[in-house]
Amino acid sequence: NAGVTQTPKFRVLKTGQSMTLLCAQDMNHEYMYWYRQDPGMGLRLIHYSVGEGTTAKGEVPDGYNVSRLKKQNFLLGLESAAPSQTSVYFCASSLTGGNQPQHFGDGTRLSIL
Amino acid sequence: QQQVKQSPQSLIVQKGGISIINCAYENTAFDYFPWYQQFPGKGPALLIAIRPDVSEKKEGRFTISFNKSAKQFSLHIMDSQPGDSATYFCAASKGGATNKLIFGTGTLLAVQP
Repeated sequence: NAGVTQTPKFRVLKTGQSMTLLCAQDMNHEYMYWYRQDPGMGLRLIHYSVGEGTTAKGEVPDGYNVSRLKKQNFLLGLESAAPSQTSVYFCASSLTGGNQPQHFGDGTRLSIL
Repeated sequence: QQQVKQSPQSLIVQKGGISIINCAYENTAFDYFPWYQQFPGKGPALLIAIRPDVSEKKEGRFTISFNKSAKQFSLHIMDSQPGDSATYFCAASKGGATNKLIFGTGTLLAVQP
């Protein structure tokens, strides 16, 4: 049972390049989330999904897009990477809403030069 | 605007001592207060959580104390061990359909042997 798996683990991009981060969960969870973690700022919610085919904005959505075409996958896209998007990105999932525990992956460390 | 304020930023405790981390919140609509533990290179993992209808919850060496009138809650780690060395995040949620978490800025705990 892998839980939440994030791909890739590390990536270096140049300003203006695009990329997609993949999150996969094998727990049959309905809800999925993307966070970014920056020093001294904790984790901030970028986008989230309450079910297959649905997405919604979180606290810091600008510069990111997401898609949830399959229940088990949640993709985070950067269309034109900026140095301010250098961060560690975490994906999480929960069974449903209503304060169900969120289970996190081990993160993707992304550097934008 | 930081809705959940966490202190201290870092903490050094001797083995066997008590570690105390504090959080304060502003939004009285929050109804779920989890603590997450994060080891280097890993994602956060749920440690313990409390709802505002109780003033204390204990799980092994970990205790949450909750003061609804002061809008504060704290994590106490009794008999702290070197293996407890990690970053701890408090969080708060309004629950409901979205299950969105607002995280504190984190506390880096080092337990010295």
